Amino acid sequence: DIVMTQAPLSVSVTPGESASISCRSSKSLLHSNGITYVYWYLQKPGKSPQLLIYRMSNLASGVPDRFSGSGSETDFTLKISRVEAEDVGIYYCGQLLENPWTFGGGTKLELK
Amino acid sequence: EVQLQQSGAELVKPGASVKLSCKTSGYTFSNYYMSWLKQMPGQNIEWIGNIYGGNGGTGYNQKFKGKATLTVDKSSSTAYMDLSSLTSEDSAVYFCARVDYYSRRGFDYWGQGVMVTVSS
Repeated sequence: DIVMTQAPLSVSVTPGESASISCRSSKSLLHSNGITYVYWYLQKPGKSPQLLIYRMSNLASGVPDRFSGSGSETDFTLKISRVEAEDVGIYYCGQLLENPWTFGGGTKLELK
Repeated sequence: EVQLQQSGAELVKPGASVKLSCKTSGYTFSNYYMSWLKQMPGQNIEWIGNIYGGNGGTGYNQKFKGKATLTVDKSSSTAYMDLSSLTSEDSAVYFCARVDYYSRRGFDYWGQGVMVTVSS
C-alpha cells in the first residue's frame, strides 16, 4: 500500500498569517499520463471531509484561492494564505493512484 | 444541488450485520462511482471500496474484502454497504463519497456520515 505521511501533526497559526502542511508518499504519485494523483481535504469539527485540492494543484469548486497545492512526485505541500477562523480543522492528504486509495494521518490546524 | 443522504446511526450486537444506505440526488447516479470510507474515533480515514452507479461494478480494498459488500439500486439512486460479522473494530463513522473514477478529481461530495456502534 502507498503510505502517506503528513507533517506536522498540528500547527497553530495567527489569523491573517500563512500556514503550510507537508505530505510525503512512499511511492511516486506521478502517473505516466503526467497527472499527479494527490489530493487535499479539510475536515471541520463534527463535519464530513471536504475536497480542497485535486490532482496536486487544482482548486476544487467553491474553495477560496487562499488555498494552493504544489509538489513533486513524492513530496507535496498545501499552503493556506491569510488563515481565517473557518480554516480550523484537520487537513488530510490522499492518493488515488492505486488501490487501495490511502490517506495521511492528518494535520490539525488551530488558531493562536 | 448534489446531495448524499446517509441513513441513521446504528447500534448492533457483535457478530451481527448491518446495511447502510446513501441516497443521492442532484446528479446522474449512473455516471459516477460511489466510495465508502471508514473513520474510527480520532483516527485516519480508510477507503473501503468503490461501486459504479452504472453497472454495479466494484473494487475493494483487500483489507475489507469479506467484511464489506457494496451494492446499488439505480432506480432510487441509492448506494448500500453491508458490513458483516461485526466486532468492536468495526465501530466507526462510515462515509459515502462520490468520485469520478476516470477523471479522478477526488471525492467531491460526501455524505454526512453514519456512526456504527458494535456493542452487546
